Amino acid sequence: EAGVAQSPRYKIIEKRQSVAFWCNPISGHATLYWYQQILGQGPKLLIQFQNNGVVDDSQLPKDRFSAERLKGVDSTLKIQPAKLEDSAVYLCASSLVGGVGNQPQHFGDGTRLSIL
Amino acid sequence: AQTVTQSQPEMSVQEAETVTLSCTYDTSENNYYLFWYKQPPSRQMILVIRQEAYKQQNATENRFSVNFQKAAKSFSLKISDSQLGDTAMYFCALISGAGSYQLTFGKGTKLSVIP
Repeated sequence: EAGVAQSPRYKIIEKRQSVAFWCNPISGHATLYWYQQILGQGPKLLIQFQNNGVVDDSQLPKDRFSAERLKGVDSTLKIQPAKLEDSAVYLCASSLVGGVGNQPQHFGDGTRLSIL
Repeated sequence: AQTVTQSQPEMSVQEAETVTLSCTYDTSENNYYLFWYKQPPSRQMILVIRQEAYKQQNATENRFSVNFQKAAKSFSLKISDSQLGDTAMYFCALISGAGSYQLTFGKGTKLSVIP
């Protein structure tokens, strides 16, 4: 089966600019996750969708980050305006159902964002 | 809140030897799962092995096995017959039946397999 697809793979922008990332989950996976992975750390959950509804966005900096999952399939994550501390790898993951251990999350290759 | 701690930032092992990566965790839930993920330079997180908390038997997947000590909240990963392709970051992670079942990761251990 095809894995989780993400684009772009790399992005370089200047601070205060905006950027968007795209994710296409594994076909049939109802749950989609966006993680932020800062260099030297483990991934941190930003937002979790169940179909097209938000389950958890408690760690999403809502003043600058937004995400949507129209039609319960693809998702986009946007940052506007970007800050230097947003430099990180943004990982998308999906699972069949919401986050229980017997339905593991499958990850994409991530987008490496560099803020100048 | 749940936490995952990996105390070994870096480790190295000779090819064909055995290495053990350490992980401790904390959660107030009784229903939880533990995972080890591998992240090679390509960045994709790959599930290596998982353990259900209510199962006493340690999980094994080919050359990978875990030592799950529930009372001590310890979850170590043993890699036998290490191969060059095992070189990667290894993350311990926990998901529990609390709220949105959030997957919490440790900071990772960078493993280098030396030929």
